[in-house]
Amino acid sequence: GAGVSQSPSNKVTEKGKDVELRCDPISGHTALYWYRQSLGQGLEFLIYFQGNSAPDKSGLPSDRFSAERTGGSVSTLTIQRTQQEDSAVYLCASSRSTGDSNYGYTFGSGTRLTVV
Amino acid sequence: GNSVTQMEGPVTLSEEAFLTINCTYTATGYPSLFWYVQYPGEGLQLLLKATKADDKGSNKGFEATYRKETTSFHLEKGSVQVSDSAVYFCALSPYSGYSTLTFGKGTMLLVSP
Repeated sequence: GAGVSQSPSNKVTEKGKDVELRCDPISGHTALYWYRQSLGQGLEFLIYFQGNSAPDKSGLPSDRFSAERTGGSVSTLTIQRTQQEDSAVYLCASSRSTGDSNYGYTFGSGTRLTVV
Repeated sequence: GNSVTQMEGPVTLSEEAFLTINCTYTATGYPSLFWYVQYPGEGLQLLLKATKADDKGSNKGFEATYRKETTSFHLEKGSVQVSDSAVYFCALSPYSGYSTLTFGKGTMLLVSP
């Protein structure tokens, strides 16, 4: 597609429920990144993919968080047993390759997750 | 580890005022440096970048110079407009080829007419 598409744009969920967030990167972009943006905390790196593999999962805050990418394209971030502290905007970005950070990422508009 | 520190906001200016948003970094080696902008309701967009010391990145009237001696990459604009109101993020990418960006916390800029 023309840009990075994320869905849903907004999600309200009850504490303890599981949620899935979707990211559809720009066609042909092999690298995909997930960040979390919390109020006053800036952007927190979660995980990145090169193709379908995830060389760096170091940013995932707990084992309730997982992500996968299939076909080198769409990625899904899953949060199990959501907690209120998971409330944030989850941003996805893609780039042509892992060596492409010098050319910048293209970000999606994010999914605003609210856990009540 | 790598880190980026930005001045806290919000920065409130009148239209046509001069803008400086300070950014300093900590990194090993020779990182690349970036400024991203997030307009209300939108995703982050790359504003400008610099990949080596003394490089100046520029775009849309904004400039930033990569200063290795002071580990800084301050964002400047000579005359801001209301449409520049947004959140600005400074970021770095380490030289190692590992491409994950490290971001600062962001600085909100509010420009009034």
